[in-house]
Formats: sequence, C-alpha cells, structure tokens
Amino acid sequence: NAGVMQNPRHLVRRRGQEARLRCSPMKGHSHVYWYRQLPEEGLKFMVYLQKENIIDESGMPKERFSAEFPKEGPSILRIQQVVRGDSAAYFCASSPGTSVSTGELFFGEGSRLTVL
Amino acid sequence: DQQVKQNSPSLSVQEGRISILNCDYTNSMFDYFLWYKKYPAEGPTFLISISSIKDKNEDGRFTVFLNKSAKHLSLHIVPSQPGDSAVYFCAARDQAGTALIFGKGTTLSVSS
Repeated sequence: NAGVMQNPRHLVRRRGQEARLRCSPMKGHSHVYWYRQLPEEGLKFMVYLQKENIIDESGMPKERFSAEFPKEGPSILRIQQVVRGDSAAYFCASSPGTSVSTGELFFGEGSRLTVL
Repeated sequence: DQQVKQNSPSLSVQEGRISILNCDYTNSMFDYFLWYKKYPAEGPTFLISISSIKDKNEDGRFTVFLNKSAKHLSLHIVPSQPGDSAVYFCAARDQAGTALIFGKGTTLSVSS
C-alpha cells in the first residue's frame, strides 16, 4: 500500500490520558502535515513537518499538543491530558515537497479520537 | 478569521444536471486553489486544481473557474452522478506554500 497510513483509525481515551496518533507518509514523501476536523467543521491546519524539523506549527494549540517526524519511523501527533474538546478526526497528509507545483496534498484516512 | 469560505453547507441536485459549488477567499496572495472530495470515514482526495494565473481548468466532468477580481472560484460538475455525493472542500495555498487552508465544505447530494 503506497498511500498515507494512519493509525490507530479509532482511539478512545478518558479525560487526562495521553493520545498518540501515527502517520507514515507516502513513499518518497518527506513532508508531513497534520489537520484536525471538529464535528461540523472544515479541516484546520495544525502543523507542518519535514524530517526532524518542525517547519510551521502556527495551527497547534500552545499547550498539550506536540508533533514530531523523526529521521526513522512515522510522524507522531501527541496530545497530553486530553479533554472532551479534543474529540475530532485528525488527518495526516504528505507531499514530496514544496516544489510540487499544484500544492496537492495526499491524505490518510484519518484517526478518530473520542475523549470520554 | 476565515480566509476560505464556502457559504453553502449543502446542495441537492438531480442526476444528470449540473452541480455548482462555490468558494470565496480573502487573501490575494493565494497562488493555487484546489478542490477535494471527501466520503464519510475516509480522508479527502484531490479532485482538481487551478493556478491563480488561469481562469479555467477542466478535467472530464469537472471544471473549476477562477474570478480573481471577485476572489471567487467555483467547481462545476456536469453531468452529476449519484457517486458524486460527498463533501467538497475548497482549499487555497499561499505563496509561502507551507500549508493548504480549507473551507468548511459543502455537502453535495445527487439523487437518481
């Protein structure tokens, strides 16, 4: 499967627990983006990463949220001390780089976080 | 402050007719505009894009029109098919190219 892989597809956490969402980009892609979709809302940009670097985190909440894209392994979006308002679908997307002329991103199927 | 706006949450069209989905934007620095289609419980998939230097791009049944002076773009689907029923997101990229900014989406329902 050469597509963007996200896991887990569904995650249930109680308030105060930690959530870790993983994303493996498409083969050959070195740029990863995380988006969040709240119920009845559009996709909100959170963070843009390249290998070992955070390029743009302007959409990330200042507290409890962090992201990484290590040299080896998937990108991880980490949410500490989850609250009910964190319940959402989290989508990862990848691209080969900003040189892509159309700006097209390739999305995974998303990870749905439910906070009880 | 929403830079990309899709003011119609939903649209219903009969099979075979034309579907027109609209999108407005505020940032004149956007250089590419894209449309994505999303089915429930799936990720968005790319549909069609247009550069800010063009006013029309066509791909099969899908055509995107861009009116820069009005900061408006539209997606035309003709003829519409029941399989087109999905949420359609308008997205834009600024010239810095760090991320796409999405509208809230329009749910298209095509009835047979």
